[in-house]
Amino acid sequence: DADVTQTPRNRITKTGKRIMLECSQTKGHDRMYWYRQDPGLGLRLIYYSFDVKDINKGEISDGYSVSRQAQAKFSLSLESAIPNQTALYFCATSELDRGYGYTFGSGTRLTVV
Amino acid sequence: ELKVEQNPLFLSMQEGKNYTIYCNYSTTSDRLYWYRQDPGKSLESLFVLLSNGAVKQEGRLMASLDTKARLSTLHITAAVHDLSATYFCAVDGGDDKIIFGKGTRLHILP
Repeated sequence: DADVTQTPRNRITKTGKRIMLECSQTKGHDRMYWYRQDPGLGLRLIYYSFDVKDINKGEISDGYSVSRQAQAKFSLSLESAIPNQTALYFCATSELDRGYGYTFGSGTRLTVV
Repeated sequence: ELKVEQNPLFLSMQEGKNYTIYCNYSTTSDRLYWYRQDPGKSLESLFVLLSNGAVKQEGRLMASLDTKARLSTLHITAAVHDLSATYFCAVDGGDDKIIFGKGTRLHILP
C-alpha cells in the first residue's frame, strides 16, 4: 500500500457541486499539505496542517476548506466547485525534521464542467 | 514573500549532452529540494540540500546549493532518454512550508 493515499484518483463534477478530496497516510507524519498543480504554474499551496488542531492557509486558499480528522487524515473540500478549479491536486506529508522533504500522494485529477 | 524561479522552463536536448537547470530564490533559506515528475504521475524526491555548499549526486544527476547566491543547480551529465521528465525545485519558505518553482520540462532526444 502507498504511504500517502488520495481518493478519488479522477473526478468529474459539475459547477456548483460540493466535492471532497481525501488523503490518508501511514507514515505517522504530523504535517500534511494540499497542493494544486496547473500546467506551467508549478505547485501552489492551498492549506497545510501541523496537527489536528492546527490548520493554516496557503497561497491560494480561497474557494477551498480543509478538515484534519485525525493525524493520518486530511481532507480538502470545494464547497461550490467552479471550472477554474479544474487541476491536479496533491496531498503531501512531512516529518518535523524536514531534512527528508515531502512525500506526495498519487494525485487527484479534478475536472469541473 | 518567497519567489522561486527556474530556468529554463523547457529544455530539449540530445542524448549524450550535458546541461544545467538553474533555481533561484528570493529570500534566505538553507533548505532546498529537487523533485522529478513523469507525465501524469506524482512527484518523486531526488535531492534534499540542507546547507550552503551541499552537493549530492545520483547517477547522471548532480545538485548543488549556494545559499549566499540563493541558487541551486541540477546538472545532467551525458543525458539519456530515461531522464525525460519535469524537474521541480522547491525552497523552504519558513513556517514549515515549501514553495515550488514552475518546473523545467526536460525532453531528451535520441
